[in-house]
Amino acid sequence: DIQMTQSPSSLSASVGDRVTITCRASQRISNYLSWYQLKAGKAPKLLIYAASSLQSGVPSRFSGSGSGTDFSLTISSLQPEDFATYYCQQSYMIPRTFGQGTKVEIK
Amino acid sequence: EVQLVESGGGLVQPGGSLRLSCAVSGSTFSTYNMNWVRQAPGKGLEWVSYISSGSSGGSGIYYADSVKGRFTISRDNAKNSLYLQMNSLRDDDTAVYYCARDFRNGGLDYWGQGTLVTVSS
Repeated sequence: DIQMTQSPSSLSASVGDRVTITCRASQRISNYLSWYQLKAGKAPKLLIYAASSLQSGVPSRFSGSGSGTDFSLTISSLQPEDFATYYCQQSYMIPRTFGQGTKVEIK
Repeated sequence: EVQLVESGGGLVQPGGSLRLSCAVSGSTFSTYNMNWVRQAPGKGLEWVSYISSGSSGGSGIYYADSVKGRFTISRDNAKNSLYLQMNSLRDDDTAVYYCARDFRNGGLDYWGQGTLVTVSS
């Protein structure tokens, strides 16, 4: 199985901060990498697919980059509604593994 | 608007069975690959199963090792519905189960609100 390792596992940030979350795959996955936002009691939300493509309706402050084994999600200016848990997922190979999640909290 | 609505969750004893359903509206269900993903209490997301488009899962049905041999994914394109038959349930199957639609490069673009499965005696 491909292991997905996210870092950090949690972070504290203020509104307006630039935040970057990284995700490393245990083997090369080309650009088969997605990012999701999860809030309690709500359905997960796709933010980025194909490593760097912004899903329709997602604010442009979210961006993704990377290819191969190293990927990142950046929020350029953190907004109050962005406090949530973020997950990466690879879809290069079955099983489609997720990272362990990064919880973004208010400082 | 695309909507996915799961149902069928509940409390079941270890060793028991449940069948989850996911009703899809607002899209051409038969043309999309579909997935089940779960989240155990206090844990992260875990991919459970995938079924390709077309009748009877077309060219592909896959499972996580943790559920292989116990869970069965299926679809009824005439009813715009996805199913997950869960047998021999264990305590560690306790989770919120989501159905999710496959998008480009395997991203999951639409998700249901989830249905809670609790396995406990």
